[in-house]
Amino acid sequence: QKEVEQNSGPLSVPEGAIASLNCTYSDRGSQSFFWYRQYSGKSPELIMSIYSNGDKEDGRFTAQLNKASQYVSLLIRDSQPSDSATYLCAVKTSYDKVIFGPGTSLSVIP
Amino acid sequence: GAVVSQHPSRVICKSGTSVKIECRSLDFQATTMFWYRQFPKQSLMLMATSNEGSKATYEQGVEKDKFLINHASLTLSTLTVTSAHPEDSSFYICSARDREQGKGTEAFFGQGTRLTVV
Repeated sequence: QKEVEQNSGPLSVPEGAIASLNCTYSDRGSQSFFWYRQYSGKSPELIMSIYSNGDKEDGRFTAQLNKASQYVSLLIRDSQPSDSATYLCAVKTSYDKVIFGPGTSLSVIP
Repeated sequence: GAVVSQHPSRVICKSGTSVKIECRSLDFQATTMFWYRQFPKQSLMLMATSNEGSKATYEQGVEKDKFLINHASLTLSTLTVTSAHPEDSSFYICSARDREQGKGTEAFFGQGTRLTVV
């Protein structure tokens, strides 16, 4: 079992719709979770971090964490073409390493 | 967020030569820096974790004698790819964690280095 898993996509949504990105992890002792956005040829940039169960909202982005289910999600409301990128889920494990998922490619269609 | 500067952004070298990549935290002290490698259309793979003043911890399958990591100060870590070969061509990215903000804090990424070995 891979440590961090994501649907590879591509995920296509129309402009203005909600994009939903999912991530599961295997280390039950993980405490810190991150969503990064990566444009082609560029380094990842942090969008959200979440540490507690529940929802965390920041502008158009909402991260959701369910530690019992070992599940993290990212919702992007009012999706824009500029949101088209690869979204990486990252988990800081109980042995203090940040492990990345394979990424989900999102395409927002104008 | 904190700024991590990585240089060079792009390098082309001949097979058999060595290449050094620098990673600097510009406005914070980084006790821990991470080095990742990313092949096209793949995710970031952790290569090694370096802590200031101690030896780096390498992930399984990463040759420590080929990928030399030095973390001599709280603001600088270097990765040297020794005797580079075409299969080492990849996107190398460093990230650093701010010492002041504790272990729960996200790491900040450098701009990445595109290495091409010809």
